[in-house]
Amino acid sequence: DAKTTQPTSMDCAEGRAANLPCNHSTISGNEYVYWYRQIHSQGPQYIIHGLKNNETNEMASLIITEDRKSSTLILPHATLRDTAVYYCIVRGGSQGNLIFGKGTKLSVKP
Amino acid sequence: DSGVTQTPKHLITATGQRVTLRCSPRSGDLSVYWYQQSLDQGLQFLIQYYNGEERAKGNILERFSAQQFPDLHSELNLSSLELGDSALYFCASSVVGVGMGNEQFFGPGTRLTVL
Repeated sequence: DAKTTQPTSMDCAEGRAANLPCNHSTISGNEYVYWYRQIHSQGPQYIIHGLKNNETNEMASLIITEDRKSSTLILPHATLRDTAVYYCIVRGGSQGNLIFGKGTKLSVKP
Repeated sequence: DSGVTQTPKHLITATGQRVTLRCSPRSGDLSVYWYQQSLDQGLQFLIQYYNGEERAKGNILERFSAQQFPDLHSELNLSSLELGDSALYFCASSVVGVGMGNEQFFGPGTRLTVL
């Protein structure tokens, strides 16, 4: 599996967009980028995933660079409830399980 | 609410004992995954079942075992418990076992404390 690199922590003001970066320079052609988050000891929550194209759902947007070596998760209007650890995971199409790194601890401040 | 249920929510036991954690996947999901989260190791994949069959194994100790039953619920058995087994144990489920769109939905977890 391709490894990912994320900043250890980030702060964001409430109501502003939170942009969480992820580097995955060794990603291969059939590997997807997944984002999950974990709010204080709760079960991780699926956010979004993508292969090549940018993706958007009701929770977030995922921007993947053209060379696929990095991506950015965007929470358009962060709220205090978005404070969590965000995990960027790269996973092959033939693999089921997720391999979690340390993630980014996002703190949304009033 | 992810639709995945886990029981019990908390479990306190002594070293050397055996416990069973239970997971019911979302309706329609065929695949079940078990993960362990400890303070020093983070979230680690233990084992995956798909429609009753073991599909993949991760860092699961020999003292641990799991199974998935015909009704698709799963149990994780932990035996000869040690202090280091204290952790949060999460179950997740997905519709398929691999491939595109295989997003996993996690349960609330079971917090195991070994004294």
